[in-house]
Amino acid sequence: EVQLLESGGDLIQPGGSLRLSCVASGFLLGSYTMTWVRQAPGKGLEWVSGLCNGADNTYYTESVKGRFTISRDRSKSTLYLQMNSVRAEDTAIYYCAKGRAANCDSPLDYWGQGTLVTVSS
Amino acid sequence: DIVMTQSPDSLAVSLGERATINCKSSRSVLYSPNNKNYLAWYQHKPGQPPKLLTYWASTRESGVPDRFSVSGSGTDFTLTISSLQAEDVAVYYCQQYYTAPYTFGQGTKLEIK
Repeated sequence: EVQLLESGGDLIQPGGSLRLSCVASGFLLGSYTMTWVRQAPGKGLEWVSGLCNGADNTYYTESVKGRFTISRDRSKSTLYLQMNSVRAEDTAIYYCAKGRAANCDSPLDYWGQGTLVTVSS
Repeated sequence: DIVMTQSPDSLAVSLGERATINCKSSRSVLYSPNNKNYLAWYQHKPGQPPKLLTYWASTRESGVPDRFSVSGSGTDFTLTISSLQAEDVAVYYCQQYYTAPYTFGQGTKLEIK
């Protein structure tokens, strides 16, 4: 059974750093594209970052480029999102999601329950 | 970036009636060499993670009831729920996975009338 379990969400001050983790089970993490999607309070889903094709390709939405870094540790079956220089507008539930294939252009067939990041002073 | 626009923003339909949600992309998501539309639909209920309903525009994910169907190609798509059930109350999102960033529509909230 595929499972994704996020952790690391917290209350953090603007300008600070945070690392989110997503432990995957039931499949080989390195064989599928992996994605972070967020949902700000009262808002819709926003695609944040993706890692695909064996981690040779990483992509980011414009608003997080240069601040967020996606990575994975296959030995730990864990996906990460390093968040630096966070802003109030980064406040959201962050979901980890698995693609249906290894290539970047894949729909997301399994999602975690999400972890809440709150950026506030 | 490809902008995905859904209509309406919210919708109230009686049980057993048809619900229709539209999704329009600012650029075509049809890849001509394989004739596939890189378009997915998700259902998102409160307190739960989103659930994949369809991909390649109209291919239903395993376990999704056949009352859910998708039509359209290129830039315009429609998700139809043929006979609304109480468990279909949710927010529905379309997403293009044609080119990064793989953007979502703003969502359509579906309620019971």
